[in-house]
Amino acid sequence: EAGVAQSPRYKIIEKRQSVAFWCNPISGHATLYWYQQILGQGPKLLIQFQNNGVVDDSQLPKDRFSAERLKGVDSTLKIQPAKLEDSAMYLCASSPPGSTEAFFGQGTRLTVV
Amino acid sequence: QKEVEQNSGPLSVPEGAIASLNCTYSDRVSQSFFWYRQYSGKSPELIMSIYSNGDKEDGRFTAQLNKASQYVSLLIRDSQPSDSATYLCAVNRKRGSTLGRLYFGRGTQLTVWP
Repeated sequence: EAGVAQSPRYKIIEKRQSVAFWCNPISGHATLYWYQQILGQGPKLLIQFQNNGVVDDSQLPKDRFSAERLKGVDSTLKIQPAKLEDSAMYLCASSPPGSTEAFFGQGTRLTVV
Repeated sequence: QKEVEQNSGPLSVPEGAIASLNCTYSDRVSQSFFWYRQYSGKSPELIMSIYSNGDKEDGRFTAQLNKASQYVSLLIRDSQPSDSATYLCAVNRKRGSTLGRLYFGRGTQLTVWP
């Protein structure tokens, strides 16, 4: 079974630029998450989708971050404009129906300079 | 108070020893508990899940849950250098098909030396 796919693996941008990350969850997984993990900390949930509906986006900085999950499969996370403190690993995860176990993709390492 | 607390370590044990990793959580209604392993620069990998009080064993790993004390632990028997990683404790208020947010601790860095 293929795992959660994410791209790109690495991204370096200047502050105030925009960036987008892509995620394809495990087939059949209705729940999709985006996490931000700053170096030395645990992952923090940014947004959680159930199919193409948002379940929890309470910790998403909505003035600069946006996410969508069209057709309930792939998802994109966008940052515009980026700040230095956005430098982190952005992790996408998905869960199968009837489970709260989350399986992570390889992540995107973002560096804002 | 943080939702999930772990000792950041580092924890250092010799090869073949038992490594004990601990985690406490603040929300008494939490239902699902997970341990993830994260190698440096990589994404978290789920290694154990536990939902009921007591012990759950899987190979060299044993997860222990005590809901009354709001405490969950992970024991790694016969530790190997390849176990060297950061171990993340995660807690969810929900279980099964009912969705909830997964809260992570900061992780405990484990080093197993030969």
